[in-house]
Amino acid sequence: ETGVTQTPRHLVMGMTNKKSLKCEQHLGHNAMYWYKQSAKKPLELMFVYNFKEQTENNSVPSRFSPECPNSSHLFLHLHTLQPEDSALYLCASSQEEASGTPTYEQYFGPGTRLTVT
Amino acid sequence: AQSVAQPEDQVNVAEGNPLTVKCTYSVSGNPYLFWYVQYPNRGLQFLLKYITGDNLVKGSYGFEAEFNKSQTSFHLKKPSALVSDSALYFCAVSLGGYNKLIFGAGTRLAVHP
Repeated sequence: ETGVTQTPRHLVMGMTNKKSLKCEQHLGHNAMYWYKQSAKKPLELMFVYNFKEQTENNSVPSRFSPECPNSSHLFLHLHTLQPEDSALYLCASSQEEASGTPTYEQYFGPGTRLTVT
Repeated sequence: AQSVAQPEDQVNVAEGNPLTVKCTYSVSGNPYLFWYVQYPNRGLQFLLKYITGDNLVKGSYGFEAEFNKSQTSFHLKKPSALVSDSALYFCAVSLGGYNKLIFGAGTRLAVHP
């Protein structure tokens, strides 16, 4: 678990606030991910970055804005969120081959518990 | 559309008994299958994966899973459950060559002393 860190671990914000979630991986991986985990629902993949390029945006509302400045860091910028956005936000990383060989396992951080009031 | 189903919200097992956590999938093409575990206040941890080869895959902490193509299932098993196995278990599927995992809703495993 210490391979992928996330800060803050808990965040309470109002609907008009702007905040950012941070993820850092210490594993030398080249792909990073944001997931949303809500109670009794499957994990929802939000964004994928391969080699710092965004390759997946799963119809995520524009109030969520990802940023990947380098292969070790990933941010999720939040603004004008809704109460239904309250969830656990998980970051993950993996080592992917440029040739497109099968997916290797993903390593997850502990998550940020977000509450929107 | 690709999907993963975990039909049981919770599985209860006595310590020392065998356990099974069920997973079925629906994908086009050859699936790559995974099991992850989540302990309280922790992120998901990788347990095992099936890519190709033997249908019985062995993973961490004594867990194993059996790939059954005809039944499109990938059930997680352990011969003797421990109280420390109590956690939330997720099945996931990926299409080969693409690092997108589709997760099931999770099954909570409770192992009682």
